[in-house]
Amino acid sequence: DGGITQSPKYLFRKEGQNVTLSCEQNLNHDAMYWYRQDPGQGLRLIYYSQIVNDFQKGDIAEGYSVSREKKESFPLTVTSAQKNPTAFYLCASSIAPFGPYEQYFGPGTRLTVT
Amino acid sequence: KNEVEQSPQNLTAQEGEFITINCSYSVGISALHWLQQHPGGGIVSLFMLSSGKKKHGRLIATINIQEKHSSLHITASHPRDSAVYICAPHLGALGGSQGNLIFGKGTKLSVKP
Repeated sequence: DGGITQSPKYLFRKEGQNVTLSCEQNLNHDAMYWYRQDPGQGLRLIYYSQIVNDFQKGDIAEGYSVSREKKESFPLTVTSAQKNPTAFYLCASSIAPFGPYEQYFGPGTRLTVT
Repeated sequence: KNEVEQSPQNLTAQEGEFITINCSYSVGISALHWLQQHPGGGIVSLFMLSSGKKKHGRLIATINIQEKHSSLHITASHPRDSAVYICAPHLGALGGSQGNLIFGKGTKLSVKP
């Protein structure tokens, strides 16, 4: 079955610690995206990658970092510089970066930082 | 900047009712997505449309690109339709730091048996 996996589903961290969220896809998609969702707000783009070894900042990239060393994987690191990291994080992919193409979403990771 | 407006924000219906969720947007787009987010958080794509109407089972989506408006209809609603429905206009080529999708805040639908 093709799809996107994110792990873990729930993650708890202490303030000041970096944490990495995993995103893997076996859809052979070129483009991958990280979104953040906060209560009462629409999804906001953190980073996106059009192709391996390339990524671009989204609207709210400050305090986050990504890598795209493999087509299948697009991990997101939430650094201690992110002032309000507690949120629901969604990874998505599409067959190509330009479109319109359907985006496929992972199940999400809920991060709580105390 | 509210480029995407959905209405209503919350909707409670009785099983069997006909549901309409509206989406208005202010930017030029090439297509529009309707997404469904279940209580667990996962999101699935229901429709992507750039003109006219699409139907899938009890779900119907319409769009008027000139009027910058789209609607999602659910016929014969059922409790399993309870979810958040999100409108996401597609900007076409990557819109810079916004990416190529912008998202409404969602409409929370609750269907009572």
